[in-house]
Amino acid sequence: DAGITQSPRHKVTETGTPVTLRCHQTENHRYMYWYRQDPGHGLRLIHYSYGVKDTDKGEVSDGYSVSRSKTEDFLLTLESATSSQTSVYFCAISEGTGNNSPLHFGNGTRLTVT
Amino acid sequence: GDSVTQMEGPVTLSEEAFLTINCTYTATGYPSLFWYVQYPGEGLQLLLKATKADDKGSNKGFEATYRKETTSFHLEKGSVQVSDSAVYFCALYTGGFKTIFGAGTRLFVKA
Repeated sequence: DAGITQSPRHKVTETGTPVTLRCHQTENHRYMYWYRQDPGHGLRLIHYSYGVKDTDKGEVSDGYSVSRSKTEDFLLTLESATSSQTSVYFCAISEGTGNNSPLHFGNGTRLTVT
Repeated sequence: GDSVTQMEGPVTLSEEAFLTINCTYTATGYPSLFWYVQYPGEGLQLLLKATKADDKGSNKGFEATYRKETTSFHLEKGSVQVSDSAVYFCALYTGGFKTIFGAGTRLFVKA
């Protein structure tokens, strides 16, 4: 299994509070991703990173920011959490891009915003 | 835009039954197609892939054939086991950083 650790695994927070989720990898892969998983929607890309300090937006990036100061860590921040951000968040990594670089996923963080 | 449509679940089967989970896609260009599996409490893992038309991906008894004429990539297994109970996601990769996932199909296998 790819060495990907997400923390925390579960979090309950109140509307309006800031939240940071962490993804740590031990594979030294260049590319890292944050997805959210919601019933009926599959997985949707929030942000991704193609190197240290190099990040870009995915399809559902509003309300989220990311940072990558080291190869192994990719942080996702909800500046002011809303109930619509209640979801399961998955970090993924890949060695490259393209057909022969599938995604490897962490075990997810279940976030509940009350 | 590009999209993936999977059959709605849940799918409930008895052990040793034949499994088909339908997946169709819409894409410009020549996408690669994937099936991922998610076991309870875990992240997704790659099950199989096919990168061009008529390719067949296979793994752990599962198979799927990339059919360009019908824009489909249906997942099949001849004899399911209880341990196959999971959520299955069809996905397509069109280039760059974009992998598009279907909504997922939950499979329950009864002993």
